[in-house]
Amino acid sequence: DTGVSQNPRHKITKRGQNVTFRCDPISEHNRLYWYRQTLGQGPEFLTYFQNEAQLEKSRLLSDRFSAERPKGSFSTLEIQRTEQGDSAMYLCASSQEQGEFPYEQYFGPGTRLTVT
Amino acid sequence: DQQVKQNSPSLSVQEGRISILNCDYTNSMFDYFLWYKKYPAEGPTFLISISSIKDKNEDGRFTVFLNKSAKHLSLHIVPSQPGDSAVYFCAARGTASKLTFGTGTRLQVTL
Repeated sequence: DTGVSQNPRHKITKRGQNVTFRCDPISEHNRLYWYRQTLGQGPEFLTYFQNEAQLEKSRLLSDRFSAERPKGSFSTLEIQRTEQGDSAMYLCASSQEQGEFPYEQYFGPGTRLTVT
Repeated sequence: DQQVKQNSPSLSVQEGRISILNCDYTNSMFDYFLWYKKYPAEGPTFLISISSIKDKNEDGRFTVFLNKSAKHLSLHIVPSQPGDSAVYFCAARGTASKLTFGTGTRLQVTL
């Protein structure tokens, strides 16, 4: 088990372009979360999946954001028509909601997005 | 509204001494609390957690205390080591298992 992985680690894009990030959770984890972290703040919840179903989206997630988790495995987060305010670290986390430790979420290294 | 607050942005402690990081919350519906440690350019790493039905949980050098009546929790690290230098986030579990994080405390352990 190699933990949660995210790709790419860094992305620089021009305003108005679309970007897509990928997250591969810990293999036996059925929940997957996306968070966003800006400078000086803690991570803020964006959305989460139980298997392949997207169960909740934060009001932070505007219509330009879309997330998928096909077949309940990896997940992608797409941002369309990026804006400078989208510049942040995008973090993915996974957890196993059954078992001994149902609430601990394990984070990936994040994707740092810079919109110029 | 900041439901989870870490009022000390930074803390400096001498190696071998105790580090105490504090966290306050406002939402009484939170039922599980976690501490994460974060190094630069990495994601947060889970450290220790506590259920709202307990008042203490210990794991090696790390102990978390929960005072539900005061809506306050603290993380004690003893003895502190230089490798503990990082940003520490307090997080609380609410509805749908989503976590609400504080703004973090930067711990510097000096020699």
